[in-house]
Amino acid sequence: ETGVTQTPRHLVMGMTNKKSLKCEQHLGHNAMYWYKQSAKKPLELMFVYNFKEQTENNSVPSRFSPECPNSSHLFLHLHTLQPEDSALYLCASSQGQGAAGELFFGEGSRLTVL
Amino acid sequence: AQKVTQAQTEISVVEKEDVTLDCVYETRDTTYYLFWYKQPPSGELVFLIRRNSFDEQNEISGRYSWNFQKSTSSFNFTITASQVVDSAVYFCALSLNTGFQKLVFGTGTRLLVSP
Repeated sequence: ETGVTQTPRHLVMGMTNKKSLKCEQHLGHNAMYWYKQSAKKPLELMFVYNFKEQTENNSVPSRFSPECPNSSHLFLHLHTLQPEDSALYLCASSQGQGAAGELFFGEGSRLTVL
Repeated sequence: AQKVTQAQTEISVVEKEDVTLDCVYETRDTTYYLFWYKQPPSGELVFLIRRNSFDEQNEISGRYSWNFQKSTSSFNFTITASQVVDSAVYFCALSLNTGFQKLVFGTGTRLLVSP
C-alpha cells in the first residue's frame, strides 16, 4: 500500500448531491489534514486532526463536514456544494503536528460540481 | 500575516539547462520553517527540503540546490542540468513555530522541461 491513499480520484456531483471523500494513511502518523487546491490559488488548509481530534477548522463552510474515526482514516463529507467548490482536494498526514514536520500527501480527489 | 510569493507562474526550459525557481516569503516571526514541495502530474505533493530560519547554509542534493537568504527573505531553488522528469509544479511553503503544522503555500511554479 502506498503512504496516503485517496478515493475516489475523480468525482462529479450536482449541487444537491451528498458524497464523501476518503483518505487512508498507512504510515502510522497521528495527524491528518485536508487541503483544497484551486486553479491559480495557493493550497488552502481546511482541517487538521491530531489523534482523531480536530485542531483546526480554517473557516470552512459547513457544507464541508470532516470526520476522523481513527488516526488512519479521514473523510470529507460533501453536501449542497457550489460550482466554486470544484477543486483538487488533497489529504496529507504527518508524524506529530510540529511546524517542522514533513507532510505526506495523497494524489488528491478531483471534484467537479455541476 | 504570513505570505509566500512565487512570481514565476510557468518556466519552460530545454533538457540540460539550469533553472532557478524563486520564492519570497513574508513573516514577522523570527522562528519559522521553509519548505519546497514538488507536484508531478499524478497529483501528490512530494517533500523536497525543509529549512529552519536559523540555518542559512545552502544545501545541495544531487542536481538540486537551495539558496536561503534571510536578508532578502528568499529561498530559491535551482535545478542543474534539468531533465524531462523534473517537469512538475513546484511549491514553496512557510510554517511558523506554533507547535502546529500549518503550511502557507505559494501559488506554485510550473516547470516544463522539453527534450
